Amino acid sequence: GIQVEQSPPDLILQEGANSTLRCNFSDSVNNLQWFHQNPWGQLINLFYIPSGTKQNGRLSATTVATERYSLLYISSSQTTDSGVYFCAGRADSNYQLIWGAGTKLIIKP
Amino acid sequence: NAGVTQTPKFQVLKTGQSMTLQCAQDMNHNSMYWYRQDPGMGLRLIYYSASEGTTDKGEVPNGYNVSRLNKREFSLRLESAAPSQTSVYFCASSGTGKYGYTFGSGTRLTVV
Repeated sequence: GIQVEQSPPDLILQEGANSTLRCNFSDSVNNLQWFHQNPWGQLINLFYIPSGTKQNGRLSATTVATERYSLLYISSSQTTDSGVYFCAGRADSNYQLIWGAGTKLIIKP
Repeated sequence: NAGVTQTPKFQVLKTGQSMTLQCAQDMNHNSMYWYRQDPGMGLRLIYYSASEGTTDKGEVPNGYNVSRLNKREFSLRLESAAPSQTSVYFCASSGTGKYGYTFGSGTRLTVV
């Protein structure tokens, strides 16, 4: 079936640590995106990354479409990085985004 | 550069009341979407509009109607609100190319 799976489900780190979040996606899902939902509920599009690598400040993402996975890297974590990180892919069959269950990240000061 | 604007931000309804959530985007995107997010859960698609003049049901359309008023605006209507519709509602839009989806700031709806 059409699936997007994220790991780990929860992650607790000290400020300054680095982290890697993983997203596996099935066939028929493409156009991977990463979102951050902050503790106030706001959803921010971090990366639109169907393939390759992109960087934005302390965050970077890599998608290897042929192997059906994407990674989000957060370096030198700050407390403001806390929240839930979602990956989502667009199903080939329609316009719908298929969402992963999210990784809840807590950065402790 | 407003992006996607949703109104209202908060609303409390009594069971059986009706209301319309408004959404507008200024990015010239063709596609627009309405999602709901229940506590501790991911987003579920209610309805979407691939282009002006078209609307389609998503995963959880029951109890809702939508109108794609023009390219900029996509509204969501609850005809007879129920407590099960208590949720946070997000509007989003997408175009073609490298920018993916853009979300509004959400509407927190409580039905009592």
